[in-house]
Amino acid sequence: NAGVTQTPKFQVLKTGQSMTLQCAQDMNHEYMSWYRQDPGMGLRLIHYSVGAGITDQGEVPNGYNVSRSTTEDFPLRLLSAAPSQTSVYFCASSFRLNTEAFFGQGTRLTVV
Amino acid sequence: GESVGLHLPTLSVQEGDNSIINCAYSNSASDYFIWYKQESGKGPQFIIDIRSNMDKRQGQRVTVLLNKTVKHLSLQIAATQPGDSAVYFCAEETSYDKVIFGPGTSLSVIP
Repeated sequence: NAGVTQTPKFQVLKTGQSMTLQCAQDMNHEYMSWYRQDPGMGLRLIHYSVGAGITDQGEVPNGYNVSRSTTEDFPLRLLSAAPSQTSVYFCASSFRLNTEAFFGQGTRLTVV
Repeated sequence: GESVGLHLPTLSVQEGDNSIINCAYSNSASDYFIWYKQESGKGPQFIIDIRSNMDKRQGQRVTVLLNKTVKHLSLQIAATQPGDSAVYFCAEETSYDKVIFGPGTSLSVIP
């Protein structure tokens, strides 16, 4: 059972470049979310989804887009990377609301 | 607005002692609270949760206490071990279906 898989693990981007961070889960979870974690800080919610076809904004959604075309996948897109988006990104999933979340191993993104 | 905060950013305890990590939340409508443990270089891992209709829940060596009157959450770890050294986060699930994390407490266990 793979759980939550994030790719890539590391990425360096130039300012203005675009990229997609991939997240997949094989637990048939309805709820998925993306967080960013900056040094010495907690996790801040970027976007979340309560099911396929449904997404909503979290605390810090600017500069990021998401879609949820399937239950399994929840990609995070950076349309025009900025140095302020340098961070570690975590994807999480849970069976439904009010249940524990399972996290991926994270993607460390550096924007130069 | 919605926010979850911690009273202590760092905590050092002797091996074998009990640890208490505190958390304050501001959204009185939140109905589900979770504690996560994050080891260096890894994603957060679920420790224990509690719903708003409870004031205490126990797991293996861990206990979570919820005081809705003062909007306070705590995590108690019994007989703290070196493997408990990590950053601990509390999180709340708000009425808007968002799970918001606090800033975290770094627990260091002294052998």
